[in-house]
Amino acid sequence: AQSVTQPDIHITVSEGASLELRCNYSYGATPYLFWYVQSPGQGLQLLLKYFSGDTLVQGIKGFEAEFKRSQSSFNLRKPSVHWSDAAEYFCAVGSGGSNYKLTFGKGTLLTVNP
Amino acid sequence: EAGVVQSPRYKIIEKKQPVAFWCNPISGHNTLYWYLQNLGQGPELLIRYENEEAVDDSQLPKDRFSAERLKGVDSTLKIQPAELGDSAVYLCASTAGDEGDTQYFGPGTRLTVL
Repeated sequence: AQSVTQPDIHITVSEGASLELRCNYSYGATPYLFWYVQSPGQGLQLLLKYFSGDTLVQGIKGFEAEFKRSQSSFNLRKPSVHWSDAAEYFCAVGSGGSNYKLTFGKGTLLTVNP
Repeated sequence: EAGVVQSPRYKIIEKKQPVAFWCNPISGHNTLYWYLQNLGQGPELLIRYENEEAVDDSQLPKDRFSAERLKGVDSTLKIQPAELGDSAVYLCASTAGDEGDTQYFGPGTRLTVL
């Protein structure tokens, strides 16, 4: 069965600082990988996704993520955080085949200090 | 283009009462998902529809939960009777249906059972 681990429950950074959110997955084949962001009271918005090809993926709002097969990781990065980036971030892995499903991690809450 | 629409946004009920949530997916999206999101957790799949067929309902607690998507468009998720532990956010998502497609989420319905 597939699974996702987000080791950091809560991260606090200062505005303008760099950010890295960790994600490790478990899946037997090449996974589909996603990062979503959820603001309070809102649904989830897709930041970026990886299917194949270039292992460095660019997303919206200046985010990027790097797929590292050897480490089973898909960490999210941003060079300079803005106060509006404060939200909860979810990593997800998608299985392949006819029973395609998305499995989410427990999320990382990001606080941005002025 | 309108996104995924859910209603109501908030619902407060007494335990043992019935409750229903409604979802209208993005136009043309054949696949519809219902997720349960507990506080501080990532979304967990309850049921997946391909058009009007429930193709994965293995995680749906069928003793009290039911869902339908009669015409393959909008969908209703029902709980009867509700229990205190059902307090959570119920998210609906939709995709065009291909493996690995981005899932677009609605804002969710926050259920409080007293």
